[in-house]
Amino acid sequence: DTAVSQTPKYLVTQMGNDKSIKCEQNLGHDTMYWYKQDSKKFLKIMFSYNNKELIINETVPNRFSPKSPDKAHLNLHINSLELGDSAVYFCASSWDGNQPQHFGDGTRLSIL
Amino acid sequence: GEDVEQSLFLSVREGDSSVINCTYTDSSSTYLYWYKQEPGAGLQLLTYIFSNMDMKQDQRLTVLLNKKDKHLSLRIADTQTGDSAIYFCAERESGGYNKLIFGAGTRLAVHP
Repeated sequence: DTAVSQTPKYLVTQMGNDKSIKCEQNLGHDTMYWYKQDSKKFLKIMFSYNNKELIINETVPNRFSPKSPDKAHLNLHINSLELGDSAVYFCASSWDGNQPQHFGDGTRLSIL
Repeated sequence: GEDVEQSLFLSVREGDSSVINCTYTDSSSTYLYWYKQEPGAGLQLLTYIFSNMDMKQDQRLTVLLNKKDKHLSLRIADTQTGDSAIYFCAERESGGYNKLIFGAGTRLAVHP
């Protein structure tokens, strides 16, 4: 059973489109995260939710909007996609602010 | 802001030990982590160490922490070809909501 699962695994789309990436965790964790990994493999946190409440919101364009319908899900919606949004987006989860984060396999987003 | 630095490449012979080094800047950081990323895959939590510890061993992995120098290392004994991957060091930012600051990753290549 996959602990942190993301869909889709690959996403190829055109500039200007709107797309969503879904994340679900079956670990019972309270906190979920979104990270962006660029082409040089550099990882940076974007958002974090604890029990559906936004607790980390890094300097991310407001075209990116996370949504947490319940504590097991954290989706990422991106409006008006740009070339620079091409990256691998990772979802992660943890029990609380002191526990290790467990990552999904990533969603590879390519903008044409 | 906080920063984590790692050397980018390491090449070792199969059967030798590998040592991957990392330096960090947040002296109040409570947890430090090592993650492994294989090609095309997500991040796998390898091990982590609490800041009041100097060493942690887990099978072939040994983590050493020098708080005074803010230096963390990961030693892999008897390195195998399956250990070839990118290894990320991360520190948990103090005072935050489990915000991880990642290094750029060390690409480990194991050759016969």
